[in-house]
Amino acid sequence: DGGITQSPKYLFRKEGQNVTLSCEQNLNHDAMYWYRQDPGQGLRLIYYSQIVNDFQKGDIAEGYSVSREKKESFPLTVTSAQKNPTAFYLCASRPEGQRAFFGQGTRLTVV
Amino acid sequence: EDQVTQSPEALRLQEGESSSLNCSYTVSGLRGLFWYRQDPGKGPEFLFTLYSAGEEKEKERLKATLTKKESFLHITAPKPEDSATYLCAVQATSGGYNKLIFGAGTRLAVHP
Repeated sequence: DGGITQSPKYLFRKEGQNVTLSCEQNLNHDAMYWYRQDPGQGLRLIYYSQIVNDFQKGDIAEGYSVSREKKESFPLTVTSAQKNPTAFYLCASRPEGQRAFFGQGTRLTVV
Repeated sequence: EDQVTQSPEALRLQEGESSSLNCSYTVSGLRGLFWYRQDPGKGPEFLFTLYSAGEEKEKERLKATLTKKESFLHITAPKPEDSATYLCAVQATSGGYNKLIFGAGTRLAVHP
């Protein structure tokens, strides 16, 4: 089955801890994206990558980091510098100029 | 600055009561406008892609249209199962990079 897999579905983070959210796609798409969604809000862009070993900051990149070492993978690390990380995180991939395919999301909660 | 604005924020309809959702955008060189439906706790589900002014797409009770400044999602005779958040997105190009920008969405509730 082709698609995007995000893991874990639920994640709990302690204060001051870094956590990494996984995003894997087997659709052979060059572009990948990370979005954050707060309750009742739309999607805000954190980071995006058009090709391997290249990525760009989105509108709310502070406190987050990414890597793109493989075409299939685009992990997001939520660092301790992100003061309000509790949110729903969505990963997407897309072929050039076409619609995005989304994963089912990871819900991150600070405990 | 590239921007996508959706209205209304929330809409409550009676079953069978048709209405429209609006998505207005400011982007340098539109290269695609996308509509998605999102259910609570799930990833967005793709509905339509529109590329040029005057284009229209239909699927069951939904019809999407596009002008040079905005897009409308028309819902005809909605049913309770159409209740969801509807998201609009545009592709923007900045410094040679393509990014997908979303609006805040319209939360639709259809009551029997």
